[in-house]
Amino acid sequence: SAVISQKPSRDICQRGTSLTIQCQVDSQVTMMFWYRQQPGQSLTLIATANQGSEATYESGFVIDKFPISRPNLTFSTLTVSNMSPEDSSIYLCSVERGDNVLTFGAGSRLTVL
Amino acid sequence: AQSVTQPDIHITVSEGASLELRCNYSYGATPYLFWYVQSPGQGLQLLLKYFSGDTLVQGIKGFEAEFKRSQSSFNLRKPSVHWSDAAEYFCAVGAGTASKLTFGTGTRLQVTL
Repeated sequence: SAVISQKPSRDICQRGTSLTIQCQVDSQVTMMFWYRQQPGQSLTLIATANQGSEATYESGFVIDKFPISRPNLTFSTLTVSNMSPEDSSIYLCSVERGDNVLTFGAGSRLTVL
Repeated sequence: AQSVTQPDIHITVSEGASLELRCNYSYGATPYLFWYVQSPGQGLQLLLKYFSGDTLVQGIKGFEAEFKRSQSSFNLRKPSVHWSDAAEYFCAVGAGTASKLTFGTGTRLQVTL
């Protein structure tokens, strides 16, 4: 299955700033997914990123807040913009490994002060 | 809309004891069902999945799960828990595509020695 590397693994940020999370996959994939895991809660899909097209956002998530780039078939970034404490979460990158199963990165734990 | 309920937020078992984690789902057709485990600081790892066929599925690390359509359940079991099984466990339901998984809120397993 695909190996996914995420950076940073954790960060502490100030309110009002932005942070970009990187996701690198060791093989080419069509779709990459970004999830948010808020403290004590389940995973929520933020958006699906396809190479060469705009990301598709789920209800409640907007591009201005969570811009996504997908420059090639092995890499994507998620930016959390104008952060507030409510954005403190684990952000996870995932890909489908070819059999309707998601493989996840280790996640990026973000704390906003 | 599909949904997943994991009624137990936190479970504590003794090492060597048996384990059952509950998962109930709501979905209009035959669901794709998954169990993932998340160890501290790690991404989600797939334990097992059910798409069709035999309703008792075997997974990694000695885990198994049984799909019961009449009860809309997909409970995870292990006959003898090891201390290394302490983690958070997520049940998920899908519609046949990895892009539309719905996760439960998770069950945190603590193992006492």
